[in-house]
Order: sequence, then structure tokens, then C-alpha cells
Amino acid sequence: DTGVSQNPRHKITKRGQNVTFRCDPISEHNRLYWYRQTLGQGPEFLTYFQNEAQLEKSRLLSDRFSAERPKGSFSTLEIQRTEQGDSAMYLCASSNSLGRHTEAFFGQGTRLTVV
Amino acid sequence: AQKVTQAQTEISVVEKEDVTLDCVYETRDTTYYLFWYKQPPSGELVFLIRRNSFDEQNEISGRYSWNFQKSTSSFNFTITASQVVDSAVYFCALIPGFGNEKLTFGTGTRLTIIP
Repeated sequence: DTGVSQNPRHKITKRGQNVTFRCDPISEHNRLYWYRQTLGQGPEFLTYFQNEAQLEKSRLLSDRFSAERPKGSFSTLEIQRTEQGDSAMYLCASSNSLGRHTEAFFGQGTRLTVV
Repeated sequence: AQKVTQAQTEISVVEKEDVTLDCVYETRDTTYYLFWYKQPPSGELVFLIRRNSFDEQNEISGRYSWNFQKSTSSFNFTITASQVVDSAVYFCALIPGFGNEKLTFGTGTRLTIIP
């Protein structure tokens, strides 16, 4: 399978715990994005990387959230001290910039439930 | 600021009927990109089309067609001869400006095709 892969697919955690999600983009893609989708809403942008550089972060990304892409390949999104409001689907996408906008390919997401 | 409005929350049609999904966008940029994505129950967002603001030609791809009208800031999506497999949530999205990588999504339209 050469698509965007996200793990785990589902995560249930207790409030206050830390969680980490992983995204493996399409191998030749240099851009990687994280979005959050709550029930009945469209995805909302969180952050994006070009290679290993994190170029933009949304104000939705509070201090409890951190994302990394250490070698410009896979990325991790960590949420510290989870809150019930963090319950959502976390989507990862990747694209190849090539100097112009190309479509982003999305993974199947990680559904987080904070209890 | 940019915004995408999908006023139709849910639509149900009988199989083989045609259906149009509406999308209205707002942006101050003269260069922008519009997208449609399909989200089946599996959760993965599937890219359908990308259109830049300089290309107002309508596009047809099989049973799918798109009508882009800058005068009304609309980018509507029509499915002809609908099939049960078309049942999904459909999102319209916008990237405003050049060099901007954030997709701004609408709230989506849930389409149900009744056999």
C-alpha cells in the first residue's frame, strides 16, 4: 500500500494522559499536514511541514500539542494532558510541492476519544 | 479571512437521479484554488478535483461535473445518474493565495443514495 498511513486508527485515553499519533506519508512527498476533524465539521488545519521544517502552526495548536517530522519522512503528533475537547479525528495528509499546488492525499485518520 | 459555505447539510436522492452539491466561497485573494473531496464511511478523504481561480472552464469526469462561477463565488458539484457507492460526505475546500498551503474546508454535505 503506497498511500498515507496513520497509526493507531483508534485511541481511547483517560483525561490527563499523553497520546502520540504517527503518520507515514507517501514516500516521495515533501509536504506533510495535520488536520483535526470533529463530528459534523470539516477538517481544520493544525500544522504543516516541508521536509523536516515545520512552516506553519494554527492557533488551534495549543501548547499541549507538538508535532515533529525529524527526518523529513514520518511525523508524530503528541497531545499532552489530554482534555475531553481533544476528542476528534486527527487526519494526516501529504503532497508534493513541485513549485505549485498539488492535491493533498489523506490518510484514514486516528480517532481519539478522551474519557 | 476565507470561508467556505456548504449550505446543504444532508441530501437524499433515489438511485439514478442527478444531484448537485452547492459550494460558496469567500476570499480576498485574486489567486486561489478550489477543491472537492469525498469522505466515505472509512474516513479517508478522497481527492476529486482541483481548480485554480484563473480557469473558469467547467469540467466533466465521467458522471461527475463541476460548475465554477467567479461572479457568484460558487463551485458546485453535480453527480449524474447517482449510484449507491456515491453515498458519502462531500467537502468543498479552498486554498487562498499563492504560497499558502492551508485547506479551508466547508462543513460538508452528507449525500445518501437510496437504492
